Amino acid sequence: DADVTQTPRNRITKTGKRIMLECSQTKGHDRMYWYRQDPGLGLRLIYYSFDVKDINKGEISDGYSVSRQAQAKFSLSLESAIPNQTALYFCATSDLGTNYGYTFGSGTRLTVV
Amino acid sequence: AQSVTQPDIHITVSEGASLELRCNYSYGATPYLFWYVQSPGQGLQLLLKYFSGDTLVQGIKGFEAEFKRSQSSFNLRKPSVHWSDAAEYFCAVGPSGGYNKLIFGAGTRLAVHP
Repeated sequence: DADVTQTPRNRITKTGKRIMLECSQTKGHDRMYWYRQDPGLGLRLIYYSFDVKDINKGEISDGYSVSRQAQAKFSLSLESAIPNQTALYFCATSDLGTNYGYTFGSGTRLTVV
Repeated sequence: AQSVTQPDIHITVSEGASLELRCNYSYGATPYLFWYVQSPGQGLQLLLKYFSGDTLVQGIKGFEAEFKRSQSSFNLRKPSVHWSDAAEYFCAVGPSGGYNKLIFGAGTRLAVHP
């Protein structure tokens, strides 16, 4: 099993619908992140969480919300999806220790029509 | 403001040729620097990272990168490219110590001709 698992892998939804993207990890990391990737823009941070009780907005949090249900689970919700939220979404985890690199999930490709 | 610039959106090289991908950063303090690779349909994989010490760092898959503080650069190099290196490459910067949110560049897409 992958260290960081994102579900679903692909999703097509209609404008105005609520949708949740889920992320679970087996790394035992405290820190979890949601990024979106758009062509030519790289990865932009949506929300991040340094532990279960700590949730922080990133640079593009408008239109999104998150829930950290447990150390291993971090969900991203689009309350009312709009077409410009069509993107590739990545969940990542990291450790407080000396290894500051992220471990990424395989991504969720979301299309809002 | 903190930022990462990857000046080259697309690069095409021939198999066996050398490669250099550029990365410049703007950061107020001593940064931690990373290169990630994204193969088609995959998540991002860490190639290498720089925290301190020797400014030339070795990574996986035969890649290396050199930190040049005076130029605010962290360019990625490989002496001989393989067709399997075709992917998108991201440079990222984060704060030294403490909370480690990474800021990513826009990416460079590498194509390899046979």
